[in-house]
Order: sequence, then C-alpha cells, then structure tokens
Amino acid sequence: GENVEQHPSTLSVQEGDSAVIKCTYSDSASNYFPWYKQELGKGPQLIIDIRSNVGEKKDQRIAVTLNKTAKHFSLHITETQPEDSAVYFCAAITNTGNQFYFGTGTSLTVIP
Amino acid sequence: DTGVSQDPRHKITKRGQNVTFRCDPISEHNRLYWYRQTLGQGPEFLTYFQNEAQLEKSRLLSDRFSAERPKGSFSTLEIQRTEQGDSAMYLCASSPNYGYTFGSGTRLTVV
Repeated sequence: GENVEQHPSTLSVQEGDSAVIKCTYSDSASNYFPWYKQELGKGPQLIIDIRSNVGEKKDQRIAVTLNKTAKHFSLHITETQPEDSAVYFCAAITNTGNQFYFGTGTSLTVIP
Repeated sequence: DTGVSQDPRHKITKRGQNVTFRCDPISEHNRLYWYRQTLGQGPEFLTYFQNEAQLEKSRLLSDRFSAERPKGSFSTLEIQRTEQGDSAMYLCASSPNYGYTFGSGTRLTVV
C-alpha cells in the first residue's frame, strides 16, 4: 500500500515568518493530496488540496506544491499567525482507492 | 446541516466491556469512513461505506470490531470485549467524492 512520510514532526516559527511542511509518497498512482489541520480535541479539518494534474495551488496565505516526478508535496504557510498553531497532516489517495494514507503529522507552533 | 456529528465525545470503559459509537454524516454525502487515531499519529483507516454497503475493511478491524450503516444514513461502530490497546480517538468522516469532512471524534479510554 501507500506510504506517506511527513517532516518535520515539530516546527516552531516566529509570527509573520513562513512555515513549510514536506511529505513524500510511495505510490505513483496517488493522484489526490489533501492537507488537514487538527486543533486540540477536534477532528482534522481540510485546509487545502491538490490533484496530480496541477503543480501548485494557493488559497490566501496557504499554498501547496506537488512534484509528481519526485513524489513529494509541500504545504507553505506565509505570514504565520498564532492561530495557525496546530497539528498538520498530509494525505494521499489513488483514484481507485477508498482510503487516505496520512502522514504522522507536524506540530506547528507560531510564537507571538 | 452543521457537519459530521459523533457521539459520545468521550467514553471511559472498563476492559472487557462493549462500547458503541455513533456517527451522523453530512446528509448528502453517500460515503462514510471510520478512522482511528492514536496520540502522535495520523488517522488510520478502519472501514468505508458507500450508502449502506460496507465496501472495505482494514486489517486493523479485528473480529471484535463491527460497523454498520443501516439505510445509508448514520453509522455505528461497536467494539466488543474492549482492550487497553483500543484506547484511541475514533474519527468518522463523510464525503461526496474527494475531500473528507471529519467529525470531532470519540475519544475512548479503556481502563
């Protein structure tokens, strides 16, 4: 099955700086890559996603890039704010699959 | 519709007892998923329903676990003869196609 690795496991940045989280996947058939934000005591919330026919996608301060050849994708958060502090998970799925494979998460702390 | 609802939010049970969790998906979503999340890990797939049909089950879903989705609406996840290793957050998600919406989860503690 698919194997998704995520780095770093923890990340601290100063407010206003950028944060980058990276994931790699193993199954070349994976074609949809969402990113989830999970706050304490809550379920994961979808924040951005990208399909394999696109190399980059932006939504305000959040962007995701995908390199299909290298099988990696990254989450970029610019102008970080304290409310961005949370655990972020990447995931991957194939177009014939029924389950997401999640990374192990990155705990992001934005220091005011 | 306010999203995916899960009940209860927290459950503490003694080892060996049976527990049942409920998930109410977003009404127009025909796909429903159960995941399990332990501390410091990403969610792990347990099972998937399309409407009322259970189409896939993970190896993680031992014979002590059973899930149902009668009439393709809400779903229940039952764990029989709970073990301490069952302690985790149980997440339900629903989807119309891609892009899950997760509930807030049920945190199970087996003592």
